[in-house]
Amino acid sequence: AQTVTQSQPEMSVQEAETVTLSCTYDTSESNYYLFWYKQPPSRQMILVIRQEAYKQQNATENRFSVNFQKAAKSFSLKISDSQLGDTAMYFCAFMKHNYGQNFVFGPGTRLSVLP
Amino acid sequence: DVKVTQSSRYLVKRTGEKVFLECVQDMDHENMFWYRQDPGLGLRLIYFSYDVKMKEKGDIPEGYSVSREKKERFSLILESASTNQTSMYLCASRPLNQPQHFGDGTRLSIL
Repeated sequence: AQTVTQSQPEMSVQEAETVTLSCTYDTSESNYYLFWYKQPPSRQMILVIRQEAYKQQNATENRFSVNFQKAAKSFSLKISDSQLGDTAMYFCAFMKHNYGQNFVFGPGTRLSVLP
Repeated sequence: DVKVTQSSRYLVKRTGEKVFLECVQDMDHENMFWYRQDPGLGLRLIYFSYDVKMKEKGDIPEGYSVSREKKERFSLILESASTNQTSMYLCASRPLNQPQHFGDGTRLSIL
């Protein structure tokens, strides 16, 4: 079974600074997807970024980028130029390839961006 | 934009009541999911459905059942609500091999 670990329950960062959220996972699969979701205080979960395991290039979406280390089973999220609107819970998630099944979510990291 | 609508944002029920949580998606997605979210535990899958009338148990199905009579609607049923089912419930949908889209969540309190 797959597991996803986020070792930082809470983090804070000053506005305009850069912060990195950690995620590790355990799987015997060779092809899979990884995701970061954001859940602001308003509650709706929003997809931030996705990475396909067969792609070596790290995904980037504007201020959000990942450091995907397949051998180490690590998938960290870097937020550059942090903004107050980035304050949220962040969940790392794993999905097997070609399965119509669920994701496996990590326990989440609560990020606070301080003015 | 994909829209996943959960019927209630807040719900208060009493122990022993039968509770229905409704979820509707407007993008003809095959897969739909029900999760509960508790502090420190992340999201845990209760049930999912990959087609009409098809369902599979997730990690914590005890005390819950589901219904999917139409593709766009996935209902979660608490047969006899208990206080340990007080939680945030999230519905999600997605097409195959694509990310999930979530509803706003229902905060359910069982008194």
